[in-house]
Amino acid sequence: EPEVTQTPSHQVTQMGQEVILRCVPISNHLYFYWYRQILGQKVEFLVSFYNNEISEKSEIFDDQFSVERPDGSNFTLKIRSTKLEDSAMYFCASSEGGQGSQPQHFGDGTRLSIL
Amino acid sequence: QKEVEQDPGPLSVPEGAIVSLNCTYSNSAFQYFMWYRQYSRKGPELLMYTYSSGNKEDGRFTAQVDKSSKYISLFIRDSQPSDSATYLCAMSGRSFGNEKLTFGTGTRLTIIP
Repeated sequence: EPEVTQTPSHQVTQMGQEVILRCVPISNHLYFYWYRQILGQKVEFLVSFYNNEISEKSEIFDDQFSVERPDGSNFTLKIRSTKLEDSAMYFCASSEGGQGSQPQHFGDGTRLSIL
Repeated sequence: QKEVEQDPGPLSVPEGAIVSLNCTYSNSAFQYFMWYRQYSRKGPELLMYTYSSGNKEDGRFTAQVDKSSKYISLFIRDSQPSDSATYLCAMSGRSFGNEKLTFGTGTRLTIIP
């Protein structure tokens, strides 16, 4: 079964450094998402991306965050200057989109630890 | 009031029991309802999805939606130790596939052999 893959599985970074989290969505999917889950808390929406532009973002997704689809297969989340509170699991998800499509499929996440 | 509320548990039941997991929500715009299963250090795995009110059955799993009460349930029959995981409810307003999901906090379930 096709799956969403994320790399790295664990990223350790010094506060203030830039990080890029990478995702390869399912190949025929058109909608891409990033969510995060702080330890012990619920999964929270960050941003959705369709047709090479952001379609929706949450208040968490401030100017420190950006997303990009640099080629036909990868989808990245960049955090420009990391803070301690950015430590969390980051999940990428993708979906076919459109009426009648299945819900989003998630990757196994990148655990981001900010020191 | 939180948009989606879910009892975090933990919930422990003996193998073979029927498990009932529930979420309530406050946003009446939600029409699409999903259950995800999350094993430790893994991503959410889609389990069931339903549109609007009613029941949907898939093997040992049944999803129920009562929009009038803003209440959704997932039932697991003949529970197995492999069902031990955290169960997340999720919801959206316009579609399954092209809108952000709003999640509950998840219920941690343990099936005791």
